[in-house]
Amino acid sequence: QKEVEQNSGPLSVPEGAIASLNCTYSDRGSQSFFWYRQYSGKSPELIMSIYSNGDKEDGRFTAQLNKASQYVSLLIRDSQPSDSATYLCAVKSGNTPLVFGKGTRLSVIA
Amino acid sequence: KAGVTQTPRYLIKTRGQQVTLSCSPISGHRSVSWYQQTPGQGLQFLFEYFSETQRNKGNFPGRFSGRQFSNSRSEMNVSTLELGDSALYLCASSADSGNTIYFGEGSWLTVV
Repeated sequence: QKEVEQNSGPLSVPEGAIASLNCTYSDRGSQSFFWYRQYSGKSPELIMSIYSNGDKEDGRFTAQLNKASQYVSLLIRDSQPSDSATYLCAVKSGNTPLVFGKGTRLSVIA
Repeated sequence: KAGVTQTPRYLIKTRGQQVTLSCSPISGHRSVSWYQQTPGQGLQFLFEYFSETQRNKGNFPGRFSGRQFSNSRSEMNVSTLELGDSALYLCASSADSGNTIYFGEGSWLTVV
């Protein structure tokens, strides 16, 4: 059973701070890693994908992958109240379905 | 480019009825996946279709079925509805099975 684990939160950070969201996965054969953001009552929207060990930056977002530790994280710099949402980590291996964690709820306090 | 379109957006059904949900993928995308999302279980994979063939299937009872048409549009059907089927049903499309998936807005199903 492939599993993706996330702390459910809520993770509360003050406006302007760095939010750090973490995810671990069980399948060592996983090759593709994704972060989705889901606002309450809405569907998930893709933020970032990462495939290689190391960091990948896109604006205020940085995804970090460590395959040896089976760990992927998302950093949000200069957090804004509009970043308050649930962040879903998803992991994929080959043509098998994307497996999602249950998400971490982030609250950015103004 | 239009996104993934799901219909209907909201529906209320009675226990024992059946429901059909529809999904039109992003133009050019040939893979369609369906997920069920509930507060307790999170996002759970239902099935994936590629070029009209079911490629993967999740651990759901046979009451849940789906299909894909030659134009890549997909439908899923749930028969003999139970209260526990109340959920957000999400359709996602991708260019190919191994690519990034993009979600539609979802269909909110309430079973009473």
